[in-house]
Amino acid sequence: DTGVSQNPRHKITKRGQNVTFRCDPISEHNRLYWYRQTLGQGPEFLTYFQNEAQLEKSRLLSDRFSAERPKGSFSTLEIQRTEQGDSAMYLCASSLGQGYETQYFGPGTRLLVL
Amino acid sequence: AQRVTQPEKLLSVFKGAPVELKCNYSYSGSPELFWYVQYSRQRLQLLLRHISRESIKGFTADLNKGETSFHLKKPFAQEEDSAMYYCALTGNAGNMLTFGGGTRLMVKP
Repeated sequence: DTGVSQNPRHKITKRGQNVTFRCDPISEHNRLYWYRQTLGQGPEFLTYFQNEAQLEKSRLLSDRFSAERPKGSFSTLEIQRTEQGDSAMYLCASSLGQGYETQYFGPGTRLLVL
Repeated sequence: AQRVTQPEKLLSVFKGAPVELKCNYSYSGSPELFWYVQYSRQRLQLLLRHISRESIKGFTADLNKGETSFHLKKPFAQEEDSAMYYCALTGNAGNMLTFGGGTRLMVKP
């Protein structure tokens, strides 16, 4: 499967713990996006990278959230001191180049904070 | 600010009936509009996009700038069309996608 992959697929954690998710984009894609989706809602943009540069962050991305893409390939999204409100599906997408290129989504990581 | 509204959470039709999933948007510039679909237990995938002006799986969507709408239509629904459908737009050089809340389409036999 050469599509976008995400790990882990599911994560259950206790409030206050830190969690880290990984996204591997399609290999030649230089843009990588993170979205969050809560139950009954559409995905909401969090942040995106062009190669290793983080170019835009949503106001949804509080100080507890940090994302990296150190070598312009895979990306990690870390949530520190998790809260119950962080429970959601975290989606990663990648696209090739600039402009209105199609974003290809991964299967998501479902986070449950107890 | 950009916003996408899908007024129907659920749309239920019988097989062979016409389908129209509504999408309205607000954006001050010239957006690019998309429809994404998520079948059961599958990932979100692109169905069609305005710029391509394609018909995919019998679905079409017309951008109406006057009404700021991008409704998705299919003349004869099939059971395999049952899925979640999300309308989305991007407005600034193809960066973030803004999604609507989604419409669940159920096609009954």
